[in-house]
Amino acid sequence: GAVVSQHPSWVICKSGTSVKIECRSLDFQATTMFWYRQFPKQSLMLMATSNEGSKATYEQGVEKDKFLINHASLTLSTLTVTSAHPEDSSFYICSAKKVDTIYFGEGSWLTVV
Amino acid sequence: GENVEQHPSTLSVQEGDSAVIKCTYSDSASNYFPWYKQELGKRPQLIIDIRSNVGEKKDQRIAVTLNKTAKHFSLHITETQPEDSAVYFCAGGRYSTLTFGKGTMLLVSP
Repeated sequence: GAVVSQHPSWVICKSGTSVKIECRSLDFQATTMFWYRQFPKQSLMLMATSNEGSKATYEQGVEKDKFLINHASLTLSTLTVTSAHPEDSSFYICSAKKVDTIYFGEGSWLTVV
Repeated sequence: GENVEQHPSTLSVQEGDSAVIKCTYSDSASNYFPWYKQELGKRPQLIIDIRSNVGEKKDQRIAVTLNKTAKHFSLHITETQPEDSAVYFCAGGRYSTLTFGKGTMLLVSP
């Protein structure tokens, strides 16, 4: 299957700082990538759809000024959590579409202290 | 938008038994229904998927059925093994925008 890579796998940051998470499609070009958040023992919640060369589409209730998404190339999308707070601590995971199948990145654990 | 309901939330079976997880969806325009297996702290792994032009699909011990009229689809795992223990998510949608069910924690006891 296709490879989607996320970095970093783990990150701890101080409250009020910003954190950037990268999502890369390693062996294919992805015009569309998706960002999800998953709290412990809960399902994957779609946060936004990242479109190469254009603005991301955010789901209802997701603050676009807090969760900045940039999709500057066909193989890279980034999610920046700005002014992070402890309640932003979660597992963030991206996915990308290759042909007609969705592949997930490894996920990134964010802990805000 | 799409709404996907998944049942049960937990399922315990003995090794060798079959396991069935059921999902319903609300948007009749949805045409893609994948199932993912997720182990703790890891990425969801696609285990099988079905599209709306097919009623059933099988891959070794795993099968998925789709009833478009009733808007429900099910995952069937036969001859379960301890390594099948994980959280399973169904999803539904179109054009790759997926809505996920809440997940089913499957525990297979030896």
